[in-house]
Amino acid sequence: QTVVTQEPSLTVSPGGTVTLTCASSTGAVTVGCLPNWFQQKPGQTPRTLIYSSYNKHSWTPARFSGFLLGDKAMLTLSDVQPEDEAEYYCLLYCGRTWAFGGGTKLTVL
Amino acid sequence: QVQLVQSGAEVKKPGASVQVSCKTSGYTFTTYFIHWVRQAPGHGLEWMGIINTDDGVTDSAHNFKGRLTMTRDTSTSTVYMELNGLTSGDTALYYCVREKPGGGFDFWGHGTMVSVSS
Repeated sequence: QTVVTQEPSLTVSPGGTVTLTCASSTGAVTVGCLPNWFQQKPGQTPRTLIYSSYNKHSWTPARFSGFLLGDKAMLTLSDVQPEDEAEYYCLLYCGRTWAFGGGTKLTVL
Repeated sequence: QVQLVQSGAEVKKPGASVQVSCKTSGYTFTTYFIHWVRQAPGHGLEWMGIINTDDGVTDSAHNFKGRLTMTRDTSTSTVYMELNGLTSGDTALYYCVREKPGGGFDFWGHGTMVSVSS
């Protein structure tokens, strides 16, 4: 059973940059793991930000970027805004099954 | 516009089954997979399973094998998720979400709350 690991929490200052990571217990996260990133604010439905490693949707703010580095998938937020405070989840298809990470609670302070 | 409209909230007793529907519109139904994801109160997202809306083939997470059934009706562009043997641990918000084959997740349903209580 695949375990996907994210930082439980991160704090960033407004205007700053922060990188969230996503690792798999099966080994290196590759493009074949089809990483997706989602944002969820309290009481709201999750919103897809990044699909297939680095692709953005039309609604994804330009300050969000997805990429692979080393053994992990990463999500970088640049010029962080107060409205970016949320829970962020990654989803991977490593090990021939889909699994979510536990989520990273991002605080903008 | 793409829409995934889910059925309403359910309250069930332990041991019962629940069926949640996800009616899609605004695109060609059979060209996208549908996944089911749940979120227990105060917890993270949990992947449950996937249905290929073209051929009906399904796959589910290990935790749900034998308990989760997903079907689709191509005439109404609707996907159904049935979970049986409910326990209080199944109390959660259940979402359907669309995937363009190859890992392209995009639109989510609004969620269906399932409460299990004696």
